[in-house]
Amino acid sequence: SQQGEEDPQALSIQEGENATMNCSYKTSINNLQWYRQNSGRGLVHLILIRSNEREKHSGRLRVTLDTSKKSSSLLITASRAADTASYFCATAPPNSGYALNFGKGTSLLVTP
Amino acid sequence: DAMVIQNPRYQVTQFGKPVTLSCSQTLNHNVMYWYQQKSSQAPKLLFHYYDKDFNNEADTPDNFQSRRPNTSFCFLDIRSPGLGDAAMYLCATRPSRGGANVLTFGAGSRLTVL
Repeated sequence: SQQGEEDPQALSIQEGENATMNCSYKTSINNLQWYRQNSGRGLVHLILIRSNEREKHSGRLRVTLDTSKKSSSLLITASRAADTASYFCATAPPNSGYALNFGKGTSLLVTP
Repeated sequence: DAMVIQNPRYQVTQFGKPVTLSCSQTLNHNVMYWYQQKSSQAPKLLFHYYDKDFNNEADTPDNFQSRRPNTSFCFLDIRSPGLGDAAMYLCATRPSRGGANVLTFGAGSRLTVL
């Protein structure tokens, strides 16, 4: 079953600009992850934020988590054309065993 | 490099003709997953294995079956593909301990049904 919902569905920006994507989820979580998918390829893990963390950084990525609002955001700073991809959040609901559910994703286009 | 390898990358089949997709991993991960991803949609979990313990999602059609003969290999069998089964099929793995629940994905197998 689907857990996360990303918005916007699509985002188009120019190189050098920042890109912000949001994810909302429905149940409590232990952690939330963001993945990236280049066109026609598998998903690649970007970053994980635990439920007791509010913000996490990795290179040009910044993730925030608000468990009271059940939402997360992914910020990509100083975007590059190579950042063009779809970005998905993923959560594991309680008692889901090893299942990991993905949202619908945000399609990011970065133009030179 | 340790990785997850899916074959074939592209599969074309006829309506109703059985298809098998394969996934192999060199990561020695206990848990393996099969996801279905239709165009511009979220990956949808079909099933996952913890070692040989099989877990079927409640809404996975009976048309989809899976086998895991050993730790390294996992197969997805589509017994009678319909037009609605055209999708990217993604295999993923994770260790049962450590690494939180971070998944490593293969490049996917794109299925076309004629």
